[in-house]
Amino acid sequence: GESVGLHLPTLSVQEGDNSIINCAYSNSASDYFIWYKQESGKGPQFIIDIRSNMDKRQGQRVTVLLNKTVKHLSLQIAATQPGDSAVYFCAEREDSSYKLIFGSGTRLLVRP
Amino acid sequence: AAGVIQSPRHLIKEKRETATLKCYPIPRHDTVYWYQQGPGQDPQFLISFYEKMQSDKGSIPDRFSAQQFSDYHSELNMSSLELGDSALYFCASRQTGGEFGEQYFGPGTRLTVT
Repeated sequence: GESVGLHLPTLSVQEGDNSIINCAYSNSASDYFIWYKQESGKGPQFIIDIRSNMDKRQGQRVTVLLNKTVKHLSLQIAATQPGDSAVYFCAEREDSSYKLIFGSGTRLLVRP
Repeated sequence: AAGVIQSPRHLIKEKRETATLKCYPIPRHDTVYWYQQGPGQDPQFLISFYEKMQSDKGSIPDRFSAQQFSDYHSELNMSSLELGDSALYFCASRQTGGEFGEQYFGPGTRLTVT
């Protein structure tokens, strides 16, 4: 069935550097994509989202890029901070159902 | 700002027992989603409700049932518990008609079956 996956299970970056977390999706019917941050023992926290009619969306220190041609999604975190250390999930949603299909998480480790 | 409330936060049950998890959505949110997250895994969609009616169903075992009440809170009922049911159970809520309709997750209930 359709799935959302990530290329790297763990990403280690130096504090202050930029982080890029990648995600591939396979369902061309998905029209909405979200990035969630999950800290240990907590629920997924909404970071940023993007509709399929957009290719870029910026938030505070975060940018999501969507390439529908190759079905690729990325999350860029500028000036990564220790508080950014967490597991990051991308998720896709079909407009018809609204349920989320999560990909395998990427653990981001920020070195001081 | 008010968030999604889940209770209990931790629950320990023995095999073949039953469990009830509760979810209280953000005020004015009319849709509730339930997800199961096993250790080291991504959340898996179980079931959702909109205006007290089941709106979608995922990989929810027949031993589980859920409902949404008139105040929009939802309960997930789990019977004949198995060791494999040990997981984090998240509830998320959404307000239909929002710009993007993002789901906001609660802190989860950690269920341990022994």
